[in-house]
Amino acid sequence: AQSVAQPEDQVNVAEGNPLTVKCTYSVSGNPYLFWYVQYPNRGLQFLLKYITGDNLVKGSYGFEAEFNKSQTSFHLKKPSALVSDSALYFCAVRDILTGGGNKLTFGTGTQLKVEL
Amino acid sequence: GAGVSQTPSNKVTEKGKYVELRCDPISGHTALYWYRQSLGQGPEFLIYFQGTGAADDSGLPNDRFFAVRPEGSVSTLKIQRTERGDSAVYLCASSLKPGTVDNEQFFGPGTRLTVL
Repeated sequence: AQSVAQPEDQVNVAEGNPLTVKCTYSVSGNPYLFWYVQYPNRGLQFLLKYITGDNLVKGSYGFEAEFNKSQTSFHLKKPSALVSDSALYFCAVRDILTGGGNKLTFGTGTQLKVEL
Repeated sequence: GAGVSQTPSNKVTEKGKYVELRCDPISGHTALYWYRQSLGQGPEFLIYFQGTGAADDSGLPNDRFFAVRPEGSVSTLKIQRTERGDSAVYLCASSLKPGTVDNEQFFGPGTRLTVL
């Protein structure tokens, strides 16, 4: 079975500082990894994905994520946080080899709060 | 272009009643997914349609839940004899290329179901 862990319920960071939102995963095969962001009363918005290739993936709004196979991690990062980045962030995984099919398995989410 | 739409945006019902939640996917997307997001949790997979057929319904919690997609486009999630524990945000997503590496899922805004 596939699973995702987001160990931090909330991350606080000052505007202009770098941010990291942590994610670790567990799959039987090779993972497809995703980050989504959710603003209040809105649906999930896709940020970025890792399929294969370069371990550093760049996505929307200046976000990037680093895939680390040995640590089974896919941490979300941004060099300089904005107040408007404050939202709920979800990491998700799809197992491409073991019949996980097309369904995504999500973590419990991390609330990012960026303060002035 | 238009994204995934869901109606109603909010639904309040009484315990024991029947409800229907509608999802209108992005035009041309062959795959459609339903997820349920309980308070403080990440979305949990319910069911996945490829065309008109349910390719994976392993996430449906019990036989009170049923979903259809009769013409391969709009889908309806049906919940019989609702219980207070069914209260959640029900998310719908669609994708263009299921089964491929490039299978990004696009989410709708969700329907918030409250069972009193």
